[in-house]
Amino acid sequence: QLQESGPGLVRPSETLSLSCSVSGGATNTNSYYWGWIRQPPGKGLEWIASIHYSGNGYYNPSLRSRVTISVDTSENQFFLRLTSVTAADTAVYFCAGQNYDLSSGSLSWFDPWGQGVLVTVSS
Amino acid sequence: DIVMTQSPDSLSVSLGGRATINCKSSQSVLFSSNNKNYLSWYQHKPGQPPKVLITWASTRESGVPDRFSGSGSGTDFTLTISSLQAEDVAVYYCQQYYFTPWTFGQGTKVQIK
Repeated sequence: QLQESGPGLVRPSETLSLSCSVSGGATNTNSYYWGWIRQPPGKGLEWIASIHYSGNGYYNPSLRSRVTISVDTSENQFFLRLTSVTAADTAVYFCAGQNYDLSSGSLSWFDPWGQGVLVTVSS
Repeated sequence: DIVMTQSPDSLSVSLGGRATINCKSSQSVLFSSNNKNYLSWYQHKPGQPPKVLITWASTRESGVPDRFSGSGSGTDFTLTISSLQAEDVAVYYCQQYYFTPWTFGQGTKVQIK
């Protein structure tokens, strides 16, 4: 199971910081990368970034300059930082495990997912 | 980026009726070396996280009712709900994992007529 946590309200130009706690499994696994996906109100899903416990990560180029993703295997958590937020960053943020095939190096679908947390950017 | 375009945006189907959702990718997601389509389908109900239904375009995940089926290859894919149940009311998304950035369709809302 995955569970997101973090502030529900962030001021414009500040930094959004979220954590995702993983239970029932370890983050230091070669079965998953750990990812963040968001859904703005009334819109579809947008992948943000994914990270392996080794530290190897992938980022959506549209957000790359503002995003940091990290993992703490000792705490079994991973994290998202999004800087210089604007109202356009208002969304439900989901954390998820992204299936990883070590033999091919391929990442695929997202499962499991956290419940999601609504983050509103407003002054 | 691979753009995923779903149609229709919404549809209303009678209980027991067939629901058909289409997903078109801007380029092929068929990997020729293994003949696999790198496409999945999700069901998203309000207040819940998305749930993966179908992987590799047509492989039903464990526990998913057999009224859900996926088909298609290359750039054109379909999710079919053969006999719509009340619990199937949701938004459905396709996602390509052919290469990064991984992208989703805009979603199709399925309702009861």
